[in-house]
Amino acid sequence: DTEVTQTPKHLVMGMTNKKSLKCEQHMGHRAMYWYKQKAKKPPELMFVYSYEKLSINESVPSRFSPECPNSSLLNLHLHALQPEDSALYLCASSRNSGAEQYFGPGTRLTVT
Amino acid sequence: AQSVTQPDIHITVSEGASLELRCNYSYGATPYLFWYVQSPGQGLQLLLKYFSGDTLVQGIKGFEAEFKRSQSSFNLRKPSVHWSDAAEYFCAGRTAGGTSYGKLTFGQGTILTVHP
Repeated sequence: DTEVTQTPKHLVMGMTNKKSLKCEQHMGHRAMYWYKQKAKKPPELMFVYSYEKLSINESVPSRFSPECPNSSLLNLHLHALQPEDSALYLCASSRNSGAEQYFGPGTRLTVT
Repeated sequence: AQSVTQPDIHITVSEGASLELRCNYSYGATPYLFWYVQSPGQGLQLLLKYFSGDTLVQGIKGFEAEFKRSQSSFNLRKPSVHWSDAAEYFCAGRTAGGTSYGKLTFGQGTILTVHP
């Protein structure tokens, strides 16, 4: 089983809202990732967690706040987003940070 | 700088024809290489990976890729394309270690259109 689940599938939020994206995997993977993908572009790495610790932050604005409560769960907290933050947000996981990554279906975020 | 390049933005093939999608990499040492496929609005599905060893790698859905160090290439092939293969394909690479451990570098993607 190589399933990564993400909720919600779609999210529309205003610029003053606070919302969260959720990602879950039950494959025993110890590395988890957040990517942002704009239309017609490849995914861009945002954050990497390895063994529940943040190991890579790709200079992401503080209005995006990741959280890894346990080895199966990864959250992305959103606050005061801008319209240009509208994108497909992808979560991925891997056995460790050296292994191949498996992606979830993504959350389509629209900021109004 | 480390990079992955997909020279073809869009490729069109007829159903049943063979397919080759190009990928070139630029890394200081041999990278780990991957091919992913993405249908519109969906996540990425891993087709195959190359870490080391046999340079011809078999993947899912009948795809294979060949690692050629002399050409810095990792091209994806399929002998007979099906209409359901229409999607966007991404080549990705990463170093084997160091501070960028786990960080994938993606090519710009190749959109595949399949004509009946």
